[in-house]
Amino acid sequence: GAVVSQHPSRVICKSGTSVKIECRSLDFQATTMFWYRQFPKQSLMLMATSNEGSKATYEQGVEKDKFLINHASLTLSTLTVTSAHPEDSSFYICSARIASVNIQYFGAGTRLSVL
Amino acid sequence: DAKTTQPNSMESNEEEPVHLPCNHSTISGTDYIHWYRQLPSQGPEYVIHGLTSNVNNRMASLAIAEDRKSSTLILHRATLRDAAVYYCILTAIFNKFYFGSGTKLNVKP
Repeated sequence: GAVVSQHPSRVICKSGTSVKIECRSLDFQATTMFWYRQFPKQSLMLMATSNEGSKATYEQGVEKDKFLINHASLTLSTLTVTSAHPEDSSFYICSARIASVNIQYFGAGTRLSVL
Repeated sequence: DAKTTQPNSMESNEEEPVHLPCNHSTISGTDYIHWYRQLPSQGPEYVIHGLTSNVNNRMASLAIAEDRKSSTLILHRATLRDAAVYYCILTAIFNKFYFGSGTKLNVKP
């Protein structure tokens, strides 16, 4: 299957700092990528849809000014958690979609711990 | 997108077949049935998807009921590496994925 790389895999930061997570599709181009968040023992929750060359669209209840998304190229989307607080600690997962078959390929996830 | 219902957990013996059910009685004509699985501390992995006909690939088979109100993911010979949470997702093409709670599969040696 197609490969999606997500970096970093784990990050620990102090409260109030910003953290950037990168998501790259390595062997295909993706006009659309997605960002999810997953709390322990829960399912994935869609946060936003990242569209190459245009603004991201956010799910209801997700603060767009807190979770900044940039989709600068057909192979890279970034999620920046601004002014992170302990309640932002979670497992963040990205995916990239192959549009012709609507299959999403997922990154390995980033575990964010905010102290 | 239509809602899916899956059992919270299932158990299987190693090297035996596993049938994971998914009910989706409100499925629409344009909804595809996708199956993904997630191992602990990893991102989900694509397993299989279909629209109306049964599908086979190297990982699994997907059996879709004639009325499309239910489907079954079939793992032909479960291995310990198949222990994961399996998600059944309905989505029209180009639509987003909304994950339900999935089925946690435990494989016993």
